[in-house]
Amino acid sequence: NAGVTQTPKFQVLKTGQSMTLQCAQDMNHEYMSWYRQDPGMGLRLIHYSVGAGITDQGEVPNGYNVSRSTTEDFPLRLLSAAPSQTSVYFCASSPYREGNQPQHFGDGTRLSIL
Amino acid sequence: AQSVAQPEDQVNVAEGNPLTVKCTYSVSGNPYLFWYVQYPNRGLQFLLKYITGDNLVKGSYGFEAEFNKSQTSFHLKKPSALVSDSALYFCAVRLLSHNDYKLSFGAGTTVTVRA
Repeated sequence: NAGVTQTPKFQVLKTGQSMTLQCAQDMNHEYMSWYRQDPGMGLRLIHYSVGAGITDQGEVPNGYNVSRSTTEDFPLRLLSAAPSQTSVYFCASSPYREGNQPQHFGDGTRLSIL
Repeated sequence: AQSVAQPEDQVNVAEGNPLTVKCTYSVSGNPYLFWYVQYPNRGLQFLLKYITGDNLVKGSYGFEAEFNKSQTSFHLKKPSALVSDSALYFCAVRLLSHNDYKLSFGAGTTVTVRA
């Protein structure tokens, strides 16, 4: 049981480039989310999804797009990378209809924008 | 709106001594409260949660937390800390609202346990 898998683990981009961070889970969880972690700021919610075909914005959505075509996958797209998007990105999943269940996290993608 | 505060950026304790990591929250309703731990270059790992019932909840690795509704606190505790408990700890609150289960995190507390 792999849980939540994120790829790549590390990435360096130039300003203006685009890329997709991949996230996949094998637990049949309906709820998936993307966070960014910055020093002293905890985790901030970027986008989330409560099921295939349904996505919504979180706290800091600007500059990011998401889609949810399957239950398993929830990719995060950076449209035009900016230095302010240098961060560690975490994907998480949990059962949706069991709201008291904890979220399961991937090991993160460390992204640097030059 | 919901928010979480972890008033201490760092906590330093000697191995074998009690460990406490503080957390206070603000929500308009009944909260679900969680503690997570993060080791270097890893994702967050679930430690324990409070949903309802007994105010003292027990979790993984000997950790426990006490829910105090009047003080809106959910402090994490361990009676005897180990060097291996050195990590970054996050408190989080979730409020069941219409069609979403958003989780709000505190800024994190770095715990260092010295041998």
